[in-house]
Amino acid sequence: NAGVTQTPKFRVLKTGQSMTLLCAQDMNHEYMYWYRQDPGMGLRLIHYSVGEGTTAKGEVPDGYNVSRLKKQNFLLGLESAAPSQTSVYFCASSLGAAQTGELFFGEGSRLTVL
Amino acid sequence: KQEVTQIPAALSVPEGENLVLNCSFTDSAIYNLQWFRQDPGKGLTSLLLIQSSQREQTSGRLNASLDKSSGRSTLYIAASQPGDSATYLCAVPSGTYKYIFGTGTRLKVLA
Repeated sequence: NAGVTQTPKFRVLKTGQSMTLLCAQDMNHEYMYWYRQDPGMGLRLIHYSVGEGTTAKGEVPDGYNVSRLKKQNFLLGLESAAPSQTSVYFCASSLGAAQTGELFFGEGSRLTVL
Repeated sequence: KQEVTQIPAALSVPEGENLVLNCSFTDSAIYNLQWFRQDPGKGLTSLLLIQSSQREQTSGRLNASLDKSSGRSTLYIAASQPGDSATYLCAVPSGTYKYIFGTGTRLKVLA
């Protein structure tokens, strides 16, 4: 059982380049999330989805876009990368709403923007 | 506004010691509380989830307790091992999609 899988695990971009991070879960979870983790800032929610075809903004959505075309996949896109987007990105999923279930995380994707 | 605090921020103990990690929250109206561990350069691994109706949950050498009235949860680790060295975080839901994470306790178990 793979759980939550993120690809790629590492990426280096130049300012202005674009890229997409892929998150896949095999637990049939409805809710999926993208967080970023920075030293001293903790985990901050970028975007989330409550089901296939839905997305919503979290705390720090600017500069990112997401899509959830299939229930098992949640994609995070950077259209024009900036050095401030250098971070470790985590995808997470849960069966239902936060009040009801357990949250599971992927291994993370470390992004460096030069 | 819910705030989650973990004290101490860092802890070093000799191998074999039993230890307690603390998690405090300001709003006692929580549905559940989850404990995670994070190894350096890795993701968060779920350790235990305690529902609001439960007082404690156990998994192996780990025991988590929840006291909603006092706004506290503790994670008890029995017979600590060097492999337990990691950062431990607690989290509580705040609404349907938002989680409030604690500041974390960085644990080092010395061999």
